[in-house]
Amino acid sequence: LAKTTQPISMDSYEGQEVNITCSHNNIATNDYITWYQQFPSQGPRFIIQGYKTKVTNEVASLFIPADRKSSTLSLPRVSLSDTAVYYCLVGDPISGNTGKLIFGQGTTLQVKP
Amino acid sequence: DGGITQSPKYLFRKEGQNVTLSCEQNLNHDAMYWYRQDPGQGLRLIYYSQIVNDFQKGDIAEGYSVSREKKESFPLTVTSAQKNPTAFYLCASSSSGTMNPEQFFGPGTRLTVL
Repeated sequence: LAKTTQPISMDSYEGQEVNITCSHNNIATNDYITWYQQFPSQGPRFIIQGYKTKVTNEVASLFIPADRKSSTLSLPRVSLSDTAVYYCLVGDPISGNTGKLIFGQGTTLQVKP
Repeated sequence: DGGITQSPKYLFRKEGQNVTLSCEQNLNHDAMYWYRQDPGQGLRLIYYSQIVNDFQKGDIAEGYSVSREKKESFPLTVTSAQKNPTAFYLCASSSSGTMNPEQFFGPGTRLTVL
């Protein structure tokens, strides 16, 4: 099973760019890298997903080097509302096409005014 | 509105009682999942189902049971065999047919054993 390692916590200030790096040394050839955001007492919410190089959407960017053993979630100009737990997941495909996702402890991002 | 609903939001149970948590989705998703989350921890997979009338155990299935009689519904029963059931329970669903599809989560049920 692919396992991920990410920092337990990070602090930032409003308006700064935040980069959260995740290590996944045992990533398999067919695995995608997915990031979720979770606020207290809510279910996680999908942020971004990628396979290689760079992916960007309206919320974040995801940078994946050629060896795919790590990835970096970049949040531009964070605000107080970005304070949350961020999970890096590497898909663990089971028989069939549905992914079985392994959630670690995540990174608690605290944005300060 | 399309989405996933879970009920109840809060649930209290006496020791030795079975309790069933509801999960319904109208996203037309084939796959559904149940996770458990303890304070300060990540999510752990209890059971998942890829199609109606079929389901598989996740990492911590002991003391839990599920059914998948309809595509829209995936109820979870917490039995008296679950020794430490107090936790936040999350249901999710996803489409099938693509590798590592996005999972959509419900609002969760917080279960407390008295």
